[in-house]
Amino acid sequence: AQSVTQLGSHVSVSEGALVLLRCNYSSSVPPYLFWYVQYPNQGLQLLLKYTSAATLVKGINGFEAEFKKSETSFHLTKPSAHMSDAAEYFCAVRAQGGSEKLVFGKGMKLTVNP
Amino acid sequence: GAVVSQHPSWVICKSGTSVKIECRSLDFQATTMFWYRQFPKQSLMLMATSNEGSKATYEQGVEKDKFLINHASLTLSTLTVTSAHPEDSSFYICSAPRLPGELFFGEGSRLTVL
Repeated sequence: AQSVTQLGSHVSVSEGALVLLRCNYSSSVPPYLFWYVQYPNQGLQLLLKYTSAATLVKGINGFEAEFKKSETSFHLTKPSAHMSDAAEYFCAVRAQGGSEKLVFGKGMKLTVNP
Repeated sequence: GAVVSQHPSWVICKSGTSVKIECRSLDFQATTMFWYRQFPKQSLMLMATSNEGSKATYEQGVEKDKFLINHASLTLSTLTVTSAHPEDSSFYICSAPRLPGELFFGEGSRLTVL
């Protein structure tokens, strides 16, 4: 079975500051890991994904995440926050080679202050 | 542009009525689609896996007679909330894999039951 933990529910940063959203996973088999972004009343958009290739994954909008097996983590970062980054961010996991259905973390709301 | 589309985006209905939500893959065929439910300020919970040409697979705790899923074609899955009640009010999101590991989400459908 797989699970994802996103500690806390809200992160607030200043525009131009580093964004760090934490995600820890639990999986009994090698995982695939994902970060999605959700804007109000919209579906989810894929930011990036780890699928057992490079451990440092670069995504859209300047985001990146690093898979660290020893820490069972897949934290999302962006060097410089932009106002348009304000949204809800979800980390998700699924088993490699398994069904496409994802298990999501509870999400993290990112607020960017001017 | 969107590759998975949901309709309607918003629906308000009276208690006791049934509501149908459509999920379409726009430029690819999907033998499997996933239906999620999202309560306000919470994560996405997988309700069921829709399988083209066969019965849907429901997650534990989801009432299959309450949430009817039909996947009649390779591009369309429907979720019908039968005899809706206020506690069924939620944001329903579908997703479909275009390629292995490439999962796309619809825009979501917000249901309000009065």
